Amino acid sequence: GAGVSQSPSNKVTEKGKDVELRCDPISGHTALYWYRQSLGQGLEFLIYFQGNSAPDKSGLPSDRFSAERTGGSVSTLTIQRTQQEDSAVYLCASSLINSGRTNTEAFFGQGTRLTVV
Amino acid sequence: DAKTTQPNSMESNEEEPVHLPCNHSTISGTDYIHWYRQLPSQGPEYVIHGLTSNVNNRMASLAIAEDRKSSTLILHRATLRDAAVYYCILREEYGGSQGNLIFGKGTKLSVKP
Repeated sequence: GAGVSQSPSNKVTEKGKDVELRCDPISGHTALYWYRQSLGQGLEFLIYFQGNSAPDKSGLPSDRFSAERTGGSVSTLTIQRTQQEDSAVYLCASSLINSGRTNTEAFFGQGTRLTVV
Repeated sequence: DAKTTQPNSMESNEEEPVHLPCNHSTISGTDYIHWYRQLPSQGPEYVIHGLTSNVNNRMASLAIAEDRKSSTLILHRATLRDAAVYYCILREEYGGSQGNLIFGKGTKLSVKP
């Protein structure tokens, strides 16, 4: 695809249910990032995948949050037992790592707006 | 990532230049200075980045102080579409698994017609 694709674009779920958010990065991009943004707030880092390295999970707010990246491409962010405070826009980004240089432009998707009712 | 400091908000008039400052006094020699912006209701987009020399691209210019402890993003002629939150971020060139992209609070730029 031409850019980073996220699905669904909108998700409404009941409190206590599990949700899965999907991110399709740009083909060939080895780095993938997840963020969330609550209404009127800044971007909160969640997790960062880079090639075959262990992911940086330091931003995950609780053990209800987890993420996978299969085959170095598609990533899924899972939120278990959703709470109302999980309501936010979840953004995914990807970038190309070349010769170990992580200092490259990141491209963002349009996000998934999650509403927990 | 080293810390950056930006003003919370700035205002500009349409078609005038805008200078957005960023302080990064603890910058290390291998840190690049990146700028992203986030337009309303959209994901962030890359603007520009540099190391020591000033940089120009179609979107903006980046002026970097000689001691690298501060930088300024320059929009040469602001348009209404430039109203956004602008983020200044430091990233290591070869950060490996530590090469994360961490956003601060940024500067909210308002452009008046």
